[in-house]
Amino acid sequence: GAGVSQSPRYKVAKRGQDVALRCDPISGHVSLFWYQQALGQGPEFLTYFQNEAQLDKSGLPSDRFFAERPEGSVSTLKIQRTQQEDSAVYLCASSLVEGGVTEAFFGQGTRLTVV
Amino acid sequence: TQLLEQSPQFLSIQEGENLTVYCNSSSVFSSLQWYRQEPGEGPVLLVTVVTGGEVKKLKRLTFQFGDARKDSSLHITAAQPGDTGLYLCAGAPIDNAGNMLTFGGGTRLMVKP
Repeated sequence: GAGVSQSPRYKVAKRGQDVALRCDPISGHVSLFWYQQALGQGPEFLTYFQNEAQLDKSGLPSDRFFAERPEGSVSTLKIQRTQQEDSAVYLCASSLVEGGVTEAFFGQGTRLTVV
Repeated sequence: TQLLEQSPQFLSIQEGENLTVYCNSSSVFSSLQWYRQEPGEGPVLLVTVVTGGEVKKLKRLTFQFGDARKDSSLHITAAQPGDTGLYLCAGAPIDNAGNMLTFGGGTRLMVKP
């Protein structure tokens, strides 16, 4: 497809379960961003990749959150031992340019519900 | 506390009315964007403003960047039901490497026919 694709669209996890969220950026896009959007809030920055390098992970809320982009294309956000406060929409965005956060295109997001 | 404060948080108006949404901060931004997000979708970029005092128009939408690049406004003329959605402002802090957008809390707009 032409846009940023995220899967799954919806995920229900039992508390304590590990989850993996996938992001397929637009082909050729160098920069990839993950954001967390709680219900009724604006998105909050989690982490940034330039190709396969994770250059900024300052927004990851705890060491239970881990992101990777091993070949500089597809990225996975993994959350270990999920907690109820992890329930949110996780948005992925990609950009053609390095650090091009102002020219980023967002995917539809993955809605994670921890029960 | 969010770096960007949006107001109002909620707005319900009748079709044909005008409205203004505000985005304020004490920080300076190198650029500021406005997005519109519909339920179940990601944010879609409407406009980017870069220069202090800049005004951009997109059909019935008028965007303004404050002179000091700390605030912005979105004005919609003659709102239509299709304008319903969550409006988000987002800025690239001037002291950031450009890797991070800071979002406001959003303004949820409902336009009733």
